[in-house]
Amino acid sequence: KAGVTQTPRYLIKTRGQQVTLSCSPISGHRSVSWYQQTPGQGLQFLFEYFSETQRNKGNFPGRFSGRQFSNSRSEMNVSTLELGDSALYLCASSARLATDTQYFGPGTRLTVL
Amino acid sequence: EDQVTQSPEALRLQEGESSSLNCSYTVSGLRGLFWYRQDPGKGPEFLFTLYSAGEEKEKERLKATLTKKESFLHITAPKPEDSATYLCAVAKAAGNKLTFGGGTRVLVKP
Repeated sequence: KAGVTQTPRYLIKTRGQQVTLSCSPISGHRSVSWYQQTPGQGLQFLFEYFSETQRNKGNFPGRFSGRQFSNSRSEMNVSTLELGDSALYLCASSARLATDTQYFGPGTRLTVL
Repeated sequence: EDQVTQSPEALRLQEGESSSLNCSYTVSGLRGLFWYRQDPGKGPEFLFTLYSAGEEKEKERLKATLTKKESFLHITAPKPEDSATYLCAVAKAAGNKLTFGGGTRVLVKP
């Protein structure tokens, strides 16, 4: 069974730009969670989607948004990029509940200049 | 608020030198505790899920145990390829997310 895929793997943007990251979950998984990972803060929860609905959201500003499509694929968007948004963005999928075992993708490395 | 604390932050081992990593947690109504391994620049790789105190799971040189307040990841006779950051996360029964600890960076020298 194919794992979680994320595209692109690497991105370089400048301050003020916006970016869209994509995640395809494991086939049959309906819950998709997003995390931001930085050396200083570790893994921080962004949001979780199930059946195209956001069920939970972490403590991030409104510049961070996401959505999920009917095939469970998910995207996250960051608008008005700041230097501090440089991070590894990870997507994870689970069968149904976000509290089921989550399987992670390889991540998207975002660098903001 | 849910809290997960991992110790030590870093661990240097000689090949074959067994050791344990600790994950202390505070959560109301634990649904599950998860261990992951993460290599630099990659996504976390799932290792174990533990659901109740007293539960143990093993995979190759790794063994995870769970009590009501903490979990241990025992590494027996580690090899250099066991070098990675090990992450612990908890989920509570009424929650919709995992809460991660800061991780333990393990370096196994030959």
